[in-house]
Amino acid sequence: GAGVSQSPRYKVAKRGQDVALRCDPISGHVSLFWYQQALGQGPEFLTYFQNEAQLDKSGLPSDRFFAERPEGSVSTLKIQRTQQEDSAVYLCASSFGGAGGNTIYFGEGSWLTVV
Amino acid sequence: DQQVKQNSPSLSVQEGRISILNCDYTNSMFDYFLWYKKYPAEGPTFLISISSIKDKNEDGRFTVFLNKSAKHLSLHIVPSQPGDSAVYFCAGWRAGSYQLTFGKGTKLSVIP
Repeated sequence: GAGVSQSPRYKVAKRGQDVALRCDPISGHVSLFWYQQALGQGPEFLTYFQNEAQLDKSGLPSDRFFAERPEGSVSTLKIQRTQQEDSAVYLCASSFGGAGGNTIYFGEGSWLTVV
Repeated sequence: DQQVKQNSPSLSVQEGRISILNCDYTNSMFDYFLWYKKYPAEGPTFLISISSIKDKNEDGRFTVFLNKSAKHLSLHIVPSQPGDSAVYFCAGWRAGSYQLTFGKGTKLSVIP
């Protein structure tokens, strides 16, 4: 597709449920990023992939959060045993090169509500 | 510890006038500063950036000014248009890092 595609766009999960959020980056983009944006806040970095290698996962808030990109294209962010504080928009972004901000393209986000 | 701060949650400006959005930072290690624009239900889109060694960068109606001694930057939009109504995020990036550090954003409303 032309842009970064994320699914589902909206997800309501009961507390304790596991969720999986998918990101389809722009074709050919080497770098893939996940950000979390809580209500009224700016996006916060979660993790970074260069192809299939996860080079930085310093932003993942707990071991309930797990991300993978096994073939270097599509990525999945998994949240286990969801908590109410996990409610946020999860933004995926990709770039052809590195992390220089002006080359990063964001998807529309997956809106997660934990009830 | 907020490294990038946008202290004005919202700003209203008349169409045709200048919009000035402000951003302060605490991390002197940032090499670039970026502004992103976000419409509701869309992802942020890159608007303009400035290197930490510059004090001004201009692109059409958008100009970013950097005052390193004050650790302050501002985005000027002139003339403002209704289509500029969006949330604007300021972000810092350190060369070699994989992450952008964002402020909380400022919601700009341009009144026709």
